[in-house]
Parts: sequence; structure tokens; C-alpha cells
Amino acid sequence: EVQLVESGGDLVQPGGSLKLSCVGSGNHWMSWVRQPPGKGLEWVAKIKPDGSAKAYVDSVKGRFTIFRDNAKNSVYLQMNSLRVEDTAVYYCANEDHYRLGYWGQGTLVTVSS
Amino acid sequence: QSALTQPPSASGSPGQSVTISCTGSSSDIGTYNYVSWYQQHPGKAPKLLIYEVTERPSGVPDRFSGSQSGNTASLTVSGLRAEDEADYYCSTYARDNNLVFGGGTKLTVL
Repeated sequence: EVQLVESGGDLVQPGGSLKLSCVGSGNHWMSWVRQPPGKGLEWVAKIKPDGSAKAYVDSVKGRFTIFRDNAKNSVYLQMNSLRVEDTAVYYCANEDHYRLGYWGQGTLVTVSS
Repeated sequence: QSALTQPPSASGSPGQSVTISCTGSSSDIGTYNYVSWYQQHPGKAPKLLIYEVTERPSGVPDRFSGSQSGNTASLTVSGLRAEDEADYYCSTYARDNNLVFGGGTKLTVL
């Protein structure tokens, strides 16, 4: 069974940066999904197993970057120019044909002054 | 990337069946057989219940079933149990290799 563990969530000021990590990515497409407090799920980004293809939701394009280090069995989300509306629990999940089969426990990102 | 449309709430009594709808468009649900459903209990990560419209991962009870008609997918929970009380989300493939989720449905077992 795949086990995913996220880390890196923190309190950061608007305009700041943060890097999230997810260990356990294996040889899978990987996605980041976020959930603002009390709200629904929003897919954020995904990356191919070899890192050669990536996709992002429109609201984070140009600000967030997904990348991976397969030697460390990890995928990352570099978040720049953070906004209050980026506040959420961020989950990593492995993806197979547009289904997210395994999820981590999530890490909380709070953007506030 | 518009979200899929789900009713905000649904309810049923133990033993009954309840169906949750998920409406998209001809650009997503209506074209691609990639609808998935997730169950999320409070404070927990989502769990995959249904994929590719009707398929169940190993370990998911057959009380959970999926279907699709045109641009609308549906999740039916039969023989409702107290532990089925949770939030349910649909998702599907969207353009440019993206994923899109529904707004979620809170299922209450009366």
C-alpha cells in the first residue's frame, strides 16, 4: 500500500513563499489538492513520473511550481507570492487515469498578516 | 475550469438508499469516462470510492455504486449506515490534463 506524508505547512505572510514536501511518491503521476477551512476540494497541480509534464489550475499558474526528486521518492510544491486565499490544507495524492487513489494526511498552510 | 455541480446536502435513514448527483458539461463528464467519487470524514483525508464512473477499488463495499447519464454522474449509497455520514466529492478530467472537483455534498444519516 502506498503511504504519503506531507510536510512544510506553516503560517506565512501575504506575498511570502513556502515549499511543501510529500514523501512516498514512487513511480506515479502525483497531484496536489487543497481544501480551504470548511470548504471543498480543489485540484492544484500534477506532475508526470519522470517530471517531464506538469499541469496547474489557473489560479496558481505563475506562482506555484510542482517538481519531484525521484531519488528521494518525493514530490514538492513551491508556492510563491502567496495570497490569503491560498490558505488551506494541502494534500498530495497519487494519480492513475485521473483518479486519486492514495492521499497523505495533509499539511496546513495559513497565509495571514 | 468550472467546478462540477453537486447538491450541498443529502440525507436518508439507516437502511435506505440515497443518490448524489454531479453535473458537468459535454466538455468533461459528457465526454470522458473518468468520473471519480471520494468520501471524506471530518478531519480526515479523502478516500477513493468510485473511479471510471462505475468501478470500485478493492475494499470498498458494494453498497456504493456509480452511474452516468449524459453530463450527470451519480453516486448511490444503498443500505445506509451511520458511518456513511460524511462529505462526498465527485471529480473528473478537465481540459489540459487537469482535474476538477464538485463542490461537495454533506450526507446526513438521520
